[in-house]
Amino acid sequence: EPEVTQTPSHQVTQMGQEVILRCVPISNHLYFYWYRQILGQKVEFLVSFYNNEISEKSEIFDDQFSVERPDGSNFTLKIRSTKLEDSAMYFCASINPLKANVLTFGAGSRLTVL
Amino acid sequence: GESVGLHLPTLSVQEGDNSIINCAYSNSASDYFIWYKQESGKGPQFIIDIRSNMDKRQGQRVTVLLNKTVKHLSLQIAATQPGDSAVYFCAAVKEYGNKLVFGAGTILRVKS
Repeated sequence: EPEVTQTPSHQVTQMGQEVILRCVPISNHLYFYWYRQILGQKVEFLVSFYNNEISEKSEIFDDQFSVERPDGSNFTLKIRSTKLEDSAMYFCASINPLKANVLTFGAGSRLTVL
Repeated sequence: GESVGLHLPTLSVQEGDNSIINCAYSNSASDYFIWYKQESGKGPQFIIDIRSNMDKRQGQRVTVLLNKTVKHLSLQIAATQPGDSAVYFCAAVKEYGNKLVFGAGTILRVKS
């Protein structure tokens, strides 16, 4: 079964450093998402991306965050200057056009900011 | 806006018993309600969904009930197994392509 692939699985970084999290969505999917989950808390929406542009973003997704689909397959989340509170699991997801409401999530990238 | 929340943070059940996980939502405009299962170290995995014009939907060992009058959603797992141990999230979505809004999650622990 096709999967959403995320790298790295775990990244440790110093506060203030830039981080790029990478995702390869399922190839025929059209909508892409980033969610985050702080340890022990619920999954929170960050941003959705469709037709090469952001379609919706949350309050969390401030100017420090950006997304890109540079080559038609990879979907990246960049955090420009990480803060301690950015420590979380970051999940990439995409929607199957034949199953309108079903998001397929990747296994996540754990970000630890020291 | 949409808000989805859960009543019980942790549920412990004996293997073989049935489990019921509950969820409340606030936005009546949601088109779908979905249950996700998250095992340790993994991303959320789709279990079952229900369209807002339905009140019950059954899958394999799982049933989702939707009560729009009281804005309540439940997930019933029949004959709970150790492999069902996970965090269960309810989520709501307005329409295709829109964001999912997740509830806080319920930890299900299955005792052997």
